[in-house]
Amino acid sequence: DVKVTQSSRYLVKRTGEKVFLECVQDMDHENMFWYRQDPGLGLRLIYFSYDVKMKEKGDIPEGYSVSREKKERFSLILESASTNQTSMYLCASSLSTSGNNEQFFGPGTRLTVL
Amino acid sequence: AQSVTQPDIHITVSEGASLELRCNYSYGATPYLFWYVQSPGQGLQLLLKYFSGDTLVQGIKGFEAEFKRSQSSFNLRKPSVHWSDAAEYFCAVGARHNTDKLIFGTGTRLQVFP
Repeated sequence: DVKVTQSSRYLVKRTGEKVFLECVQDMDHENMFWYRQDPGLGLRLIYFSYDVKMKEKGDIPEGYSVSREKKERFSLILESASTNQTSMYLCASSLSTSGNNEQFFGPGTRLTVL
Repeated sequence: AQSVTQPDIHITVSEGASLELRCNYSYGATPYLFWYVQSPGQGLQLLLKYFSGDTLVQGIKGFEAEFKRSQSSFNLRKPSVHWSDAAEYFCAVGARHNTDKLIFGTGTRLQVFP
C-alpha cells in the first residue's frame, strides 16, 4: 500500500513565524504535490515536484516555497506565516505520467496562524 | 483549460436512499476522471477512476460512476446509502499526455440521516 505521511496533524503558529510542513511517501513516486483545502474552494494546488530538486508553481504559490532534496520527501515552507494561511494542507504523490494520474494523499495538516 | 464543476455544495439523504452526486468537466479531449472521498479529519481516498473503455466504472464501497461524453459528466451513484458514507466527495479531472496535475471540483458534502 502507498503510504503518504505528514509530519503534523495539527499545528498552531504565530504571524511572522517560518513554518515547515513535511511530507514523506514510501512508494518511490516521482511526483509530489502540496494543496491547500478551504471550505467552498476545494483543493487548490500550491506547488508540485516531478523530480528531486525540480518544482513547478501551482495555482496559488504566493507566500509559499518548497524543497525536494530527496525523492521521498517534499517540504512546504511558509516564509512568514500570515493569518490568511490558516488552512488544511494536503500532500499527495503519484507515479510519473504513464497514463495514470492517480494521486495518493496524506492525512493533512491543519495549520492555524494566530 | 480544464475545469470541474460540482453543482451541489451540500446534499442530505436518508439512510437506505439512493444517491447521485453530479460532476461536469470541461476539457478538449477525453480526460482522466476521478472521484475521491474525504471523511472528517482525513485525507482523500480514491473511490474510482475512468481512463478508457467501459463508461460505467465500479469503485470501492459500492459506488459507481458513469462517463457521458455528450454531457461532459461523470456522476457518482450509490443505490443505497449507509450512515458511514457521510463525507465530502471530490470529482477531479486529469489531462492526457500532458501533465500529472489534477484539477479538483469544490466538493459536495453528503449528510446521511438515520
